Amino acid sequence: GENVEQHPSTLSVQEGDSAVIKCTYSDSASNYFPWYKQELGKRPQLIIDIRSNVGEKKDQRIAVTLNKTAKHFSLHITETQPEDSAVYFCAATRLGWTGNQFYFGTGTSLTVIP
Amino acid sequence: DVKVTQSSRYLVKRTGEKVFLECVQDMDHENMFWYRQDPGLGLRLIYFSYDVKMKEKGDIPEGYSVSREKKERFSLILESASTNQTSMYLCASSLREGVGYTFGSGTRLTVV
Repeated sequence: GENVEQHPSTLSVQEGDSAVIKCTYSDSASNYFPWYKQELGKRPQLIIDIRSNVGEKKDQRIAVTLNKTAKHFSLHITETQPEDSAVYFCAATRLGWTGNQFYFGTGTSLTVIP
Repeated sequence: DVKVTQSSRYLVKRTGEKVFLECVQDMDHENMFWYRQDPGLGLRLIYFSYDVKMKEKGDIPEGYSVSREKKERFSLILESASTNQTSMYLCASSLREGVGYTFGSGTRLTVV
């Protein structure tokens, strides 16, 4: 099965700096890589995703890059703000397969220091 | 706007009790999932279901069972609650192909 590893487990940055969270996966058949943000006491919510036919995707201050050869993908947050403080989860899955499941990383707790 | 609803936000149960956690989705999703979330361990899959009356074990099914009698409802059952089952439980659902993955708000269960 798939195995997703996520680093670092905790990350502190100064407001305005960039934050990078990295994930690796093991199953080369995985083709969809979402990122979830979970604020304290709330449900994880999708913030950005990327499919295997794309190398990079950007949405305002958030970007995700994918290296299929190396089987790793990263979340980049630029110009961080205190409201970016949360736990971030990466995931990998094979879309299009009945009964597929999402495989999650163990999470990164991001703290943005004002 | 809430599309995946978990019946309880907080729950306190006694050791040995039978506990039911309910999850209902209104998006006509085929797939439903139960996770537990613990600090440092991330999201661990307990069970999932990709159709009515179908269930598959996840990574940590011991001590749990599930029921999917209707498409919109997926129940997690703790047959005899133990203190090591104190955790946050998250339900999620998605379309058959995996698109539209959505989480519920979670149930924080404390077993005393």
